[in-house]
Amino acid sequence: AQSVAQPEDQVNVAEGNPLTVKCTYSVSGNPYLFWYVQYPNRGLQFLLKYITGDNLVKGSYGFEAEFNKSQTSFHLKKPSALVSDSALYFCAVRPPSDTDKLIFGTGTRLQVFP
Amino acid sequence: NAGVMQNPRHLVRRRGQEARLRCSPMKGHSHVYWYRQLPEEGLKFMVYLQKENIIDESGMPKERFSAEFPKEGPSILRIQQVVRGDSAAYFCASSPRTGSHNEQFFGPGTRLTVL
Repeated sequence: AQSVAQPEDQVNVAEGNPLTVKCTYSVSGNPYLFWYVQYPNRGLQFLLKYITGDNLVKGSYGFEAEFNKSQTSFHLKKPSALVSDSALYFCAVRPPSDTDKLIFGTGTRLQVFP
Repeated sequence: NAGVMQNPRHLVRRRGQEARLRCSPMKGHSHVYWYRQLPEEGLKFMVYLQKENIIDESGMPKERFSAEFPKEGPSILRIQQVVRGDSAAYFCASSPRTGSHNEQFFGPGTRLTVL
């Protein structure tokens, strides 16, 4: 079955420190990978995507993600966290053989402490 | 350019009533997707529509749920005879055209509470 796993329910990091939010996927073929962020009582905002090409993808608000095919991972990273980055982060995959629907992970809550 | 609009933002219904959720895609977008988010869970795909066509409804419950995207007007997700288990946040997303690399733009969601 096609799926996305976000193994950490919550990630805590001090402001100014680097952060990583983990994501692994199980999809046949070459998937398209996405990260979205959700602030309280808001919809999802697109952060970045990997389609093809360079494994390191840069996105909005200083975030980046690294696609690792051998480990089937797409971890989200930021060199220096801000308190305002505190939110719920979702990894999603779109299988190439499927229609345009996204398969989401269960989300990781990022808490950045001042 | 206004983003994806959803209304109402909050909807309270008693068991057995009908819930109607509306979604207006971004200007120029002809593809609409509905997702459901249960508490403490990720979003689950429900249905994908283009104007006047249902393309993929593999995530829709077989009974009580229906969706449409008419030629004019917003997309509607209808839930008949709601039950407590229908309480969730329902998100609509739109994209300009098909193609697996196109990101979907999400609305703010409708939070349905069934009493």
